[in-house]
Amino acid sequence: NAGVTQTPKFRVLKTGQSMTLLCAQDMNHEYMYWYRQDPGMGLRLIHYSVGEGTTAKGEVPDGYNVSRLKKQNFLLGLESAAPSQTSVYFCASSPGGTSRREQYFGPGTRLTVT
Amino acid sequence: AQSVTQLDSQVPVFEEAPVELRCNYSSSVSVYLFWYVQYPNQGLQLLLKYLSGSTLVKGINGFEAEFNKSQTSFHLRKPSVHISDTAEYFCAVTPFSGGTASKLTFGTGTRLQVTL
Repeated sequence: NAGVTQTPKFRVLKTGQSMTLLCAQDMNHEYMYWYRQDPGMGLRLIHYSVGEGTTAKGEVPDGYNVSRLKKQNFLLGLESAAPSQTSVYFCASSPGGTSRREQYFGPGTRLTVT
Repeated sequence: AQSVTQLDSQVPVFEEAPVELRCNYSSSVSVYLFWYVQYPNQGLQLLLKYLSGSTLVKGINGFEAEFNKSQTSFHLRKPSVHISDTAEYFCAVTPFSGGTASKLTFGTGTRLQVTL
């Protein structure tokens, strides 16, 4: 049981390039989330999903797109990377029902945009 | 909307000393509260949570926290810290209601540095 995994672990992009971050969970969780972590700012929610085929905007969605074509995967896309998107990105998932508010986090992806 | 304040960005402490990490929140609705720990170069791990019931909550690794509704606080404590407790600690809240997804609002984190 791997829990929540993220691919890749590190990435360096040039301004204007695009990329996709992959999050996978093997816990059959309904809900999935993407956060970014910046120094002195804690974690901020980018987008989230309450089920396969559904996504919604979080606190800082601009410049990102997401897709959840399969229940176990949640993809975060950057169409045209900007230096302001240099950050550590965390994916999380949570089950439904009364436990849904406890989130399980992946190890993170460190992205640098030059 | 909710907000979380962790007033101490860094807390240095000697090994075997007690520690308290402070967390205050603001919300117009009732909330669930969490403490997460992040060890260097790792993701976040749940330390403990308050959902309902006893206001004193015990978590992993000897940590505990007390929910104080009147002071809107959820301070984290440990009576005797170990070097291995060196990490970043995040307080987070999510509203009781607000749809099906539990959107967490995080504080800015407190870096606990334990030294010999």
